[in-house]
Amino acid sequence: QSALTQPASVSGSPGQSLTISCTGTTSDVGAYNLVSWYQQLPDKAPKLMIFEVSKRPSGVSNRFSGSKSGNTASLTISGLQAEDEADYYCCSYAGTGSRMLFGGGTKLTVL
Amino acid sequence: QVQLVQSGAEVKKPGASVKVSCKASGYTFTEYYMHWVRQAPGQGLEWMGIINPSGGGTSYAQKFQDRVTMTRDASTSTVYLELSSLRSEDTAVYYCARDAIYSDSTGNHRSYFFDYWGQGNLVTVSS
Repeated sequence: QSALTQPASVSGSPGQSLTISCTGTTSDVGAYNLVSWYQQLPDKAPKLMIFEVSKRPSGVSNRFSGSKSGNTASLTISGLQAEDEADYYCCSYAGTGSRMLFGGGTKLTVL
Repeated sequence: QVQLVQSGAEVKKPGASVKVSCKASGYTFTEYYMHWVRQAPGQGLEWMGIINPSGGGTSYAQKFQDRVTMTRDASTSTVYLELSSLRSEDTAVYYCARDAIYSDSTGNHRSYFFDYWGQGNLVTVSS
């Protein structure tokens, strides 16, 4: 099964909002409300930012929000800050065999 | 606090096997499934498989089905990933990642996301 599709890179200025998309299929993103998003800083382990499409773990800024429409999930970051510069990965449950699928990752640059 | 502490970096020759470990602490080991995820240099995250620390049941990504073995030792709260027939493309950082759970009137259930990650193990395959 192919990875979920994310844009390779996005950029924005401080204070702006931007959205990262994550496109799958009717067998993964479209089938389950089990999309999660992870932030990865250089040489660090990923950090959970959003789970179950739109829920935020405690401690994650409310500037981060998630949504889903059909086979595409989205991560929106509002009030962009320099510290948000990182790689972001979406992940979806993909059914049979407890499979999990990641997106290819999106490099966020704060201009 | 929850901690997943992985073993150190490894250097292996092509064709060899590697076994990396992930020691859990700060929670009841048998209540949470554990995943293994890898990341090749400069590349994205790739799911390898999952193990149920309670019964030892596993499910592997098709890509690794014939080369990977995930095991656990409940007495030491440790899960293991063994990858055989190593090739250069297996050079990567290997992470263990805990699957979150939620509880309701019927018990604990998987949540299908990763709430804690180990620090990662770099495995280098080179002749």
